[in-house]
Amino acid sequence: DAKTTQPNSMESNEEEPVHLPCNHSTISGTDYIHWYRQLPSQGPEYVIHGLTSNVNNRMASLAIAEDRKSSTLILHRATLRDAAVYYCILSQAGTALIFGKGTTLSVSS
Amino acid sequence: DTEVTQTPKHLVMGMTNKKSLKCEQHMGHRAMYWYKQKAKKPPELMFVYSYEKLSINESVPSRFSPECPNSSLLNLHLHALQPEDSALYLCASSQETTSGIYEQFFGPGTRLTVL
Repeated sequence: DAKTTQPNSMESNEEEPVHLPCNHSTISGTDYIHWYRQLPSQGPEYVIHGLTSNVNNRMASLAIAEDRKSSTLILHRATLRDAAVYYCILSQAGTALIFGKGTTLSVSS
Repeated sequence: DTEVTQTPKHLVMGMTNKKSLKCEQHMGHRAMYWYKQKAKKPPELMFVYSYEKLSINESVPSRFSPECPNSSLLNLHLHALQPEDSALYLCASSQETTSGIYEQFFGPGTRLTVL
């Protein structure tokens, strides 16, 4: 499986935007980029996914570099509830998710 | 209903016990998964069921035995576990695995302690 590299931890203030980076220099043309997050004491939950173009949904935006070797998850206004471990995962269609270490996001009021 | 339920929430068992973890979904999903998560680590894939058939076994020891009795239910039978098997066991489901990209829905997990 193609690997991803994320910072171990990041900090943010409430109501400020957060940019979570992910490097995936060995990404293949058929790899999708997924983001999941895991809130404390819960199972992971889907955030967003994309292939080549930037994507927006009600939770976040995904910005994908033109060469697809990196991507950024953008939370537009962080809240305390966004404190979680964020996982950037590469997978091909029809394959199971393999989680990497993720980024622990702390949000301060 | 977009929920995956897991029972029990907590389980304590001895190394000679036999127990089972249960997972249920009613979203019509045809793919179901078991993951194991140790403290402060990411979830590790254990098993994948696709259309009630085991499609992936990530070299999991035989003391873990999965079962998919129907498309809504997934069990994980435990026997002769070791203390290092203590972890959070997560179940997930998705529409299918054969093609396309489908969101995986995760349950809250069963916290297992092996004494």
